[in-house]
Amino acid sequence: AQSVAQPEDQVNVAEGNPLTVKCTYSVSGNPYLFWYVQYPNRGLQFLLKYITGDNLVKGSYGFEAEFNKSQTSFHLKKPSALVSDSALYFCAVRRSGAGSYQLTFGKGTKLSVIP
Amino acid sequence: DADVTQTPRNRITKTGKRIMLECSQTKGHDRMYWYRQDPGLGLRLIYYSFDVKDINKGEISDGYSVSRQAQAKFSLSLESAIPNQTALYFCATSDSSQGPSYEQYFGPGTRLTVT
Repeated sequence: AQSVAQPEDQVNVAEGNPLTVKCTYSVSGNPYLFWYVQYPNRGLQFLLKYITGDNLVKGSYGFEAEFNKSQTSFHLKKPSALVSDSALYFCAVRRSGAGSYQLTFGKGTKLSVIP
Repeated sequence: DADVTQTPRNRITKTGKRIMLECSQTKGHDRMYWYRQDPGLGLRLIYYSFDVKDINKGEISDGYSVSRQAQAKFSLSLESAIPNQTALYFCATSDSSQGPSYEQYFGPGTRLTVT
């Protein structure tokens, strides 16, 4: 079985400050890891993914994520938060390898960037 | 994502009624999925289809059925709606030619309320 934990239901950060949204995962074998963002009344939008290689992955809108295999974590980061980053963020995991289809999502973390 | 459309966007129905949610995509992807989102629970997979003749149950398929009318169309039906099926429903697509690290692309969602 595979699972994702997002330990914080909500993260508040001041505009211009760095932000971190935490994610830890559990999966057999090597993981594919994803971050999605959901703005109000919109579907989920893909931000970035980790497949293999460099542990620091860069994605859309200035976001990046750091893969840490020993801590089974994939935290989302941004050096300087914008008010427009306020949204719901989902981490997801899928076991690597052919034949693996199940994408398991975390419960989501609501990010509020305060002006 | 305008490439994945869902109809209706909002629906209120009564207990016991049959309802169909429709999804269409112009991305040319072969794989399609239906998820439901509940507050605090993240997204859970209802059904998925790898091509027109390949339909599979997800983790919460009870009370739902699906139809893949064409590669671009995937419908979700609630044969007899009940209040605990009140949720936000998302359709998603993916392209198997991307290999096992593919990401999924989501529609804007259908907000369903069963009274």
